[in-house]
Amino acid sequence: AQRVTQPEKLLSVFKGAPVELKCNYSYSGSPELFWYVQYSRQRLQLLLRHISRESIKGFTADLNKGETSFHLKKPFAQEEDSAMYYCALRGTSGSRLTFGEGTQLTVNP
Amino acid sequence: AAGVIQSPRHLIKEKRETATLKCYPIPRHDTVYWYQQGPGQDPQFLISFYEKMQSDKGSIPDRFSAQQFSDYHSELNMSSLELGDSALYFCASSLVGADTQYFGPGTRLTVL
Repeated sequence: AQRVTQPEKLLSVFKGAPVELKCNYSYSGSPELFWYVQYSRQRLQLLLRHISRESIKGFTADLNKGETSFHLKKPFAQEEDSAMYYCALRGTSGSRLTFGEGTQLTVNP
Repeated sequence: AAGVIQSPRHLIKEKRETATLKCYPIPRHDTVYWYQQGPGQDPQFLISFYEKMQSDKGSIPDRFSAQQFSDYHSELNMSSLELGDSALYFCASSLVGADTQYFGPGTRLTVL
């Protein structure tokens, strides 16, 4: 079975502060990990894929297989980063995405 | 660039009625996925199709059925609607084997 856990439902930081959204996963094989962002109940938008090792909008995420984590980080949060963030896993046995419970990030001015 | 299109965007139905949700994938995408997101919940996978064949099945109620057509668009048919079916229904599309799924804006279904 595959499972994604985001321990923080709510996260509030001030503008310019560093932010880290935690994601832990459980999967017996080699998963693909993603971060999706959802602004004000709009469509889910892909933010990052672990295989691409890219930085989008200043966000980065590193897959730590030892700790089974894929935390999302940004050194200086901006107000426009306020949104719901979902960590998702795609296993090798199928194509479905399994999402975590989501973390609502609020960046205060 | 063209995105995933879903229609209708909003739908209000009474209990025990039926509903049909439509999804038009990104051009040349051959795989379609359906997800259900209840209020305050994370998206839950329902079902997916590749080349008009069901490729994966999740927690989709027996009252729901879906299919993919020759033009790759997909329809989710929901019968005997219940209050608990009220949710945002997302469709996503991808190329088979590709890791990235692109989501549509969703259809917000309200069952009264």
